[in-house]
Amino acid sequence: GAVVSQHPSWVICKSGTSVKIECRSLDFQATTMFWYRQFPKQSLMLMATSNEGSKATYEQGVEKDKFLINHASLTLSTLTVTSAHPEDSSFYICSARDYRAEQTPDTQYFGPGTRLTVL
Amino acid sequence: AQKITQTQPGMFVQEKEAVTLDCTYDTSDPSYGLFWYKQPSSGEMIFLIYQGSYDQQNATEGRYSLNFQKARKSANLVISASQLGDSAMYFCAMREGPQGAQKLVFGQGTRLTINP
Repeated sequence: GAVVSQHPSWVICKSGTSVKIECRSLDFQATTMFWYRQFPKQSLMLMATSNEGSKATYEQGVEKDKFLINHASLTLSTLTVTSAHPEDSSFYICSARDYRAEQTPDTQYFGPGTRLTVL
Repeated sequence: AQKITQTQPGMFVQEKEAVTLDCTYDTSDPSYGLFWYKQPSSGEMIFLIYQGSYDQQNATEGRYSLNFQKARKSANLVISASQLGDSAMYFCAMREGPQGAQKLVFGQGTRLTINP
């Protein structure tokens, strides 16, 4: 099946610093990747849709200047949390669609997630 | 209005029993897709099963089956012969629009605990 990796798996940073999270599709090309945020004991909330070679599409209420997304290649998307604050502490998880999958071409395969803690 | 509703915050089931996790959805789009994902304590989201709105038969995948009742707008997940490793959070999700439409909307999840 399709494999998506994320790095780092966890990060602790000081308030005011920026943190970059990488999402990679390991065995397929992903023209579209998705970034989600999940607070403890809550569901996944879509933050943005990342399109290779173009600007990301952000969901309502998500600050695009705070959550910078770059999708420079067909296998890599990055999320940078700029000037992080304690309220940005959360579980960030990416996903990608494997267009090769004939039966379920729009199934999203998820990375293992990144737990961000801002002190 | 909630697009995806999972009414069971928690379920406790004895090992080897079958379990049904409820999911109802709300959409006016005739083309949509329904997904179930499992999230163990490690946090990763594991794809379990998919049902398209035009699929005539209920989807099955090993011990997982989806009880799709279109008129009632429900897409319950059935796990047969539950195992201890099935203990996890389970999320129902919907893609509105035809294949190629992008977004998934998730329900609040159900925490399933399998007792030995």
